[in-house]
Amino acid sequence: QLQLQESGPGLVKPSETLSLTCTVSGDSISSSSYYWGWIRQPPGKGLEWIGSLYYSGSTYYNPSLKSRVTISADTSKNQFSLTLSSVTAADTALYYCARHLRPSYSNYPFDYWGQGTLVTVSS
Amino acid sequence: DIVMTQSPDSLAVSLGERATINCKSSQSVLYSSNNKNYLAWYQQKPGQPPKLLIYWASTRESGVPDRFSGSGSGTDFTLTISSLQAEDVAVYFCQQCYSPPFTFGGGTNVEIK
Repeated sequence: QLQLQESGPGLVKPSETLSLTCTVSGDSISSSSYYWGWIRQPPGKGLEWIGSLYYSGSTYYNPSLKSRVTISADTSKNQFSLTLSSVTAADTALYYCARHLRPSYSNYPFDYWGQGTLVTVSS
Repeated sequence: DIVMTQSPDSLAVSLGERATINCKSSQSVLYSSNNKNYLAWYQQKPGQPPKLLIYWASTRESGVPDRFSGSGSGTDFTLTISSLQAEDVAVYFCQQCYSPPFTFGGGTNVEIK
């Protein structure tokens, strides 16, 4: 059974960099040919796609965040990561990692999700 | 960006009755090459991540009860719960996967009347 688990600091200071890791178990991110993504949800609000990555390094980012976001993979640890620089209070959200439904395509919805990790931006 | 607009924001339905949620995209999400609408529906219960219910506008994900159905094409879509059960109380989101950024609707909160 595929499982995803987000990890990282729950509190980040304004102007600093948010760094999260998603550990995947039950599948190999390098051999399974899926795209993997990050989505966030401010408390009590809707969902925002941040970006997605293919194990080979191909990435798609939300243009609204592109200048601040990097998504990368560590295939040796079966993990992929999110960094978001210059954070503000507006970046406070529940951050989810997830897998796209179909192999080799990013234009499919997410079928497996982590439980999410809350990141608060505050001094 | 493709803007996804859901209606209503909130919906109260009696147990066993039909619930209908609408989703409109600012441009068509229909791929002419395969005649598929790249529109998905999710259910999110409190404290849980979203759960994929439907993709390609009308294809149920494995394990999803058949009381959930999706319809529509182009820019107008509907999620129908044919007979609302207590466990269906949740927020429902639509998402377009036609082109990045993959945008979501604002959500519809479904509760029991």
